[in-house]
Amino acid sequence: DIVMTQSPDSLAVSLGERATINCKSSQSILYNSNNKNYLAWYQQKPGQPPKLLIYWASTRESGVPDRFSGSGSGTEFTLTISSLQAEDVAVYYCHQYYSSLYTFGQGTKLEIK
Amino acid sequence: EVQLVESGGGLVQPGGSLRLSCEASGFSFNNYAMYWVRQAPGKGLEHVSGISSHGDYTYYADSVKGRFTISRDDSKNTLYLQMGSLRAEDMAVYFCARASNKGYFWGQGTLVTVSS
Repeated sequence: DIVMTQSPDSLAVSLGERATINCKSSQSILYNSNNKNYLAWYQQKPGQPPKLLIYWASTRESGVPDRFSGSGSGTEFTLTISSLQAEDVAVYYCHQYYSSLYTFGQGTKLEIK
Repeated sequence: EVQLVESGGGLVQPGGSLRLSCEASGFSFNNYAMYWVRQAPGKGLEHVSGISSHGDYTYYADSVKGRFTISRDDSKNTLYLQMGSLRAEDMAVYFCARASNKGYFWGQGTLVTVSS
């Protein structure tokens, strides 16, 4: 199984400041034939299912604010929130869908400082 | 519009059984692999089980192997999870999920509570 490891486990950022969450996979999730990284980022708020933010590591889902961006390739990835808003308080998960058994990171809890 | 609607959750005693259902609409159900993912209170996301588009391949987490059975009825566009010998640690919200080229599309989830 591909192991996904997020860092940090929790993060406190001031309103308007940048928040950065990292995700590392135990093997490359870059599919060479189409040059796409099979990596998604989700935001989850209490009582709700995960909400897709980013797919293909860097493609923003329709309707997601442009303060959310994804980067990285191969085994190392980053989710960046450029200017934290109060409504961004949530748990964030990375998710690889490269292998037949998809796996998740353990989650990063984002709070307001 | 793609929709996944879970049902069947509830309160069950330890050692009991429960069957979850996930009714799909808005896409060709028989063309997609489907999954059950659970989330215990305050915990992360855990794959429980998965089934291929033709039902010929299934996956189970070690924690549920031998106790849970996944199945699908393509004529009813419905995914099932038969859960047996339930334990306290099986208590969670169970999400139905569809694989896609964007990762997963998720249902709203159904809560399973295991308690005497």
